[in-house]
Amino acid sequence: AQTVTQSQPEMSVQEAETVTLSCTYDTSESDYYLFWYKQPPSRQMILVIRQEAYKQQNATENRFSVNFQKAAKSFSLKISDSQLGDAAMYFCAYRRGGSNYKLTFGKGTLLTVNP
Amino acid sequence: DTGVSQNPRHKITKRGQNVTFRCDPISEHNRLYWYRQTLGQGPEFLTYFQNEAQLEKSRLLSDRFSAERPKGSFSTLEIQRTEQGDSAMYLCASSRGLNEQYFGPGTRLTVT
Repeated sequence: AQTVTQSQPEMSVQEAETVTLSCTYDTSESDYYLFWYKQPPSRQMILVIRQEAYKQQNATENRFSVNFQKAAKSFSLKISDSQLGDAAMYFCAYRRGGSNYKLTFGKGTLLTVNP
Repeated sequence: DTGVSQNPRHKITKRGQNVTFRCDPISEHNRLYWYRQTLGQGPEFLTYFQNEAQLEKSRLLSDRFSAERPKGSFSTLEIQRTEQGDSAMYLCASSRGLNEQYFGPGTRLTVT
């Protein structure tokens, strides 16, 4: 079974600084997708960024980028120029490729942004 | 695109009672998912529909749980004879095919 591990229960960052959230996963599949989701307090989960395993290039979405190390099964999220609105719980998630559909989530990292 | 909606947002019930939650997916999304999130954990997959067909159920979904999606539109999740261990946030998500899953705000269930 696939597992996703987030080893940092909590992280904090100063506004305008950069922070990196860690995620490792375990799978025997070669075709899969990785995601970072953001869950603000009392608000719904939204997708931050996705990475296809077959792509060597790291995904980037504005201030959010990932460091995808396939051999090491590592998938970290870097947030640059942190903003107060980035404060949230961040979940790393895995999905098999093909017709498979369900997401497997890590336990999450609570990010605090200090003004 | 009005997003995924879930009702009720909060439900408090006594142990042994039945509860039903509703999820309205984004229109034209053919796939609908239910997840359960307990405190300090990430969401865990419960079940999944493609149109009106329920294609997979997690072993987390005991016999007390049943989900339906009549006519491939909204979905309901019913829990019979609730137990304290059922207390959790129940999340619904929908997608068009294998594209991004959009999540609803969740229904928080408290069983006293």
